[in-house]
Amino acid sequence: LAKTTQPISMDSYEGQEVNITCSHNNIATNDYITWYQQFPSQGPRFIIQGYKTKVTNEVASLFIPADRKSSTLSLPRVSLSDTAVYYCLVGDRLGGYNKLIFGAGTRLAVHP
Amino acid sequence: GAVVSQHPSRVICKSGTSVKIECRSLDFQATTMFWYRQFPKQSLMLMATSNEGSKATYEQGVEKDKFLINHASLTLSTLTVTSAHPEDSSFYICSARAGQETQYFGPGTRLLVL
Repeated sequence: LAKTTQPISMDSYEGQEVNITCSHNNIATNDYITWYQQFPSQGPRFIIQGYKTKVTNEVASLFIPADRKSSTLSLPRVSLSDTAVYYCLVGDRLGGYNKLIFGAGTRLAVHP
Repeated sequence: GAVVSQHPSRVICKSGTSVKIECRSLDFQATTMFWYRQFPKQSLMLMATSNEGSKATYEQGVEKDKFLINHASLTLSTLTVTSAHPEDSSFYICSARAGQETQYFGPGTRLLVL
């Protein structure tokens, strides 16, 4: 299973764009990249998933360079409610069953 | 869509008793379900993987006789913590996946063993 590395914590202010980068140097050919958000005492919430290039949905964008050894989650115009822990995970979506092994995640604090 | 529920949301029990936690996929059939445990200020730790109709696969260091997992249907998996002790107090989270699709997580169950 590919191991991911993220910054332990980040600080931002309301209305700013936040970019969280994740390294996954050993990503396999059929691995997808998935990001989750977790609030205290809640289960992780799916944010976005991608394989290559750029993926965008109503809450975030995911940028994946050609070598796929890293990815960047972009949160536009964050608010106080975006304060949470963000996890980047790499898992095999295409072949066999896979299990998601969580790293430490990035603790994002959004300030007024 | 893709809603996963857990019951109960929190439970308090006496040391030595057993506690059952249910995980349900409400709007999809989950061929595979996962159980995680999370201690305060820490990340999620995978305990076991269960496929419908077969025995669960436990991660290294997780006692299968203490954490009994049953995945009897495509929408229900249960985790039973047998002879619970205070050190088993934790936040237990399940996730469900349909085929090779994304994993969706339940809201978690807070277990406190006195």
